[in-house]
Amino acid sequence: NAGVTQTPKFRILKIGQSMTLQCTQDMNHNYMYWYRQDPGMGLKLIYYSVGAGITDKGEVPNGYNVSRSTTEDFPLRLELAAPSQTSVYFCASTPAQFNTEAFFGQGTRLTVV
Amino acid sequence: GQQLNQSPQSMFIQEGEDVSMNCTSSSIFNTWLWYKQEPGEGPVLLIALYKAGELTSNGRLTAQFGITRKDSFLNISASIPSDVGIYFCAGRNNNAGNMLTFGGGTRLMVKP
Repeated sequence: NAGVTQTPKFRILKIGQSMTLQCTQDMNHNYMYWYRQDPGMGLKLIYYSVGAGITDKGEVPNGYNVSRSTTEDFPLRLELAAPSQTSVYFCASTPAQFNTEAFFGQGTRLTVV
Repeated sequence: GQQLNQSPQSMFIQEGEDVSMNCTSSSIFNTWLWYKQEPGEGPVLLIALYKAGELTSNGRLTAQFGITRKDSFLNISASIPSDVGIYFCAGRNNNAGNMLTFGGGTRLMVKP
C-alpha cells in the first residue's frame, strides 16, 4: 500500500538550474497539494489540484509550476532555482473536497546553492 | 491570508509529564486538525475536529475545537519517549476551498 510517493528524497541544485519533483498517489484521490516547509515554520501551500487537468495557486506559487495530466501524478517544476527555494517539499492528497484527512508523502529535501 | 499562531514553539519535558499546546487564529475555521511529524517523514493525522466545542480523544491524546472556532488545543497525557516529534495544528475554512492553513509547529522533546 504505497500511498503518496515522492521522488527524489534529496537533491542539491545550483542557482538557475531546473528540476521536477515527482509525486504520485495510488489511492485515486481527486485533490493533490504541494507544500513547502521551511525550518521552524509550518507548511505553506504552493499549488493544488482538484482533479486531472485542473490546478490552482496556493499561498506561495512564485517560482513554481505544476501540471496534473492524470489523477495519480502531480509533478512540481522549478524552472530557475533560487536559494530562497531551499526547503523541504511535501506532496499530499485527499479523496474529496471536504474529507480533510490529507495523506502526505515523505518529503523532498532541496538545497539550492 | 489566514494565519495560525501555535504555541509553544518547543517543549522539553520529562517522561510521564502531561503536555499541552494550542493554536489560535484571527479567522474562523470549520475544521481543526492535529498532525505529528517525525524526522524524515511527512505529517501524519492524529485527530480531526469538525464542530465547535468538540472534544475528541485518541489514546493519550485529547484535542478540543474552541467555542469561538478560532482556537484549538492538544493535550498529551503521561508522555513517553516516542511522543517526540513536531506537532502541527491545521485549520480549514469551507469558504476557502479545501486548503489547509498550518501552524508553525511545536517541537516536543521527551527526556526518559
